[in-house]
This record gives sequence, C-alpha cells and structure tokens, in this order.
Amino acid sequence: EVQLVESGGGLVQPGGSLRLSCAASGFTFSSYVMSWVRQAPGKGLEWVSGISVRGSSTYSADSVKGRFTISRDNSKNTLYLQMNSLRAEDTAVYYCAKGGVGTVVPLDYWGQGTLVTASS
Amino acid sequence: SYELTQPPSVSVSPGQTASITCSGDKLGDKYACWYQQKPGQSPVLVIYQNNKRPSGIPERFSGSNSGNTATLTISGTQAMDEADYYCQAWDSSVVFGGGTKLTVL
Repeated sequence: EVQLVESGGGLVQPGGSLRLSCAASGFTFSSYVMSWVRQAPGKGLEWVSGISVRGSSTYSADSVKGRFTISRDNSKNTLYLQMNSLRAEDTAVYYCAKGGVGTVVPLDYWGQGTLVTASS
Repeated sequence: SYELTQPPSVSVSPGQTASITCSGDKLGDKYACWYQQKPGQSPVLVIYQNNKRPSGIPERFSGSNSGNTATLTISGTQAMDEADYYCQAWDSSVVFGGGTKLTVL
C-alpha cells in the first residue's frame, strides 16, 4: 500500500524558515517523480515544486522560486521542502504527491498534508 | 501563464448525470486529469490522460477532452460524490483549475 506521510509543519513568523519532510513507503520511491502541492485555507490547489527521480532536475512555481527548495534522499525514501523567507501568503496545508515514472503528472497518491502557518 | 477555468459550482439530483467543465487554450492538445477532494480529506485522482480511471475509481466517472474544454462526467451520481473537483494539465508546470463544488441534492 502506497503511503506518504508529511511532517514538519507548524507556526513560523514571517521571514522565517521551515523544512517539511515526506516519508514514502509501499512503492519504489527512487523510480518516481515527486511533488509538493499546497492549499491555502478555503482555497484551491496550487502546485509548488517537483523533482526528478534522481534529484538532478527540479521545477518550481514562480510564487516560490528563490525561496523554496525541493530535494530528495532516495536512500531514506524521503522528500523534502526547505522553505525560507516565509510570507503570510504561504500559509497552507502542504501535500506531498507521487507522480509518474519520468513524468510530474498525474499525481496518483497524496499524503494527508501538513499545515504551515506564517504569522506573527 | 496558462490558466484553467472551472465553474465554481454544479448541482445535480441523485441518480442523474453531472458534468463539470474545464476550459483552457488548446486544452485538447494536452492531457487533462481530474481530482476529487472531500471536506477535510486529501485529493484523490479520479481521471488521468483525459479519460483513464485509476484502479478503484467507479465506472460512473468518465472524462473527455477536445478543443478548449475537458469534461468530467459522473453518471448515476451518488450522495458520496459530493465534493470539490479540480482539473489539472501540464504547461511547463502543473496547472490546476480553480475547482468546482459538486452538490448532490
């Protein structure tokens, strides 16, 4: 059974940093592209960032470029999102999502999400 | 940047057919996916590559994509299908539509 378990969310002041983790199990993690998707309270889905199977290529939304960094450790079956210079508008539930073999989409499995709140 | 437009809400009676549209420039030239999200839950993929259903998704869910519009169709809609639905396409990045709240009444 595919499982994606996010952690690391919490309350952080604007301008601060946070690192999210996503522990994957039930599939060959190193064979799939992975992504982070967020959802602000009461709003729709927004793709944040994606990473290739070996981590050599990353893709990010314009809204987070230069502030957020996606990475992965295939030896630990874990996906990360380093978030710096956080803003109030980054407040959202952050989901880890599994992509395809060599393709970012479709996102066929999602974690339960972790809430990030950027507020003073 | 590429945009996908969905109606904010759609209503349907139980047992009837619900259609949710998603519009984007030359969307038919791309693959469309659809996700279902129930309150307090994570999104679930219900349609990928325009009209394919992942295992475990009921046959009443179907999809099409042509021209500028992709459509998610739910035949014999059930109360359990009440949810938010998001379309998604790839255009140099992952693009989601704004979402459609499906009400079954």
